[in-house]
Amino acid sequence: GQSLEQPSEVTAVEGAIVQINCTYQTSGFYGLSWYQQHDGGAPTFLSYNALDGLEETGRFSSFLSRSDSYGYLLLQELQMKDSASYFCAVSPPTGRRALTFGSGTRLQVQP
Amino acid sequence: NAGVTQTPKFQVLKTGQSMTLQCAQDMNHNSMYWYRQDPGMGLRLIYYSASEGTTDKGEVPNGYNVSRLNKREFSLRLESAAPSQTSVYFCASLSVGSYNEQFFGPGTRLTVL
Repeated sequence: GQSLEQPSEVTAVEGAIVQINCTYQTSGFYGLSWYQQHDGGAPTFLSYNALDGLEETGRFSSFLSRSDSYGYLLLQELQMKDSASYFCAVSPPTGRRALTFGSGTRLQVQP
Repeated sequence: NAGVTQTPKFQVLKTGQSMTLQCAQDMNHNSMYWYRQDPGMGLRLIYYSASEGTTDKGEVPNGYNVSRLNKREFSLRLESAAPSQTSVYFCASLSVGSYNEQFFGPGTRLTVL
């Protein structure tokens, strides 16, 4: 099976940098993804790490370490619109390609 | 290009009633999924369809059935609704050639009284 753990809530100030961690237990997976979900909205894809290391997409970066069973999402130059829930997710190495999601981290950006 | 669409957006049912949630995608994706999301939780897979004509159970399939009508459409049916099925239901499709980039519909907010 697969399980992922994330902190339930994180609070940060506008303009700051915040890191959202994800630790996982899985027998194998293709990669670690991150999704953003605003209140009342649908999840939207943010980033994907197939290999260990850092992937950068604008203000967002994501990191994966398979040896440590750990990943994180880094948000820089925080804006009020970044207030949302962030989910890490993995898909199994074979078969259905269906994602297993963590329970999500609610980020509150304060002025 | 509408992406993934779902109907209805909201629904209230009484215990024991049945209903079908509709989902369609216009991105020519092969794989489609149904998830449910309960307050403060992540998404849990109900059923998925790897391609037209195939469906398989996910993590929480009890009380649900699905139909992959064609490549575009994937419906979810509740035969006899129960209060435990009160949730937000999301349909998603998987980008071709991707293992992780799923596109989600806007969701159906279902309340079972």
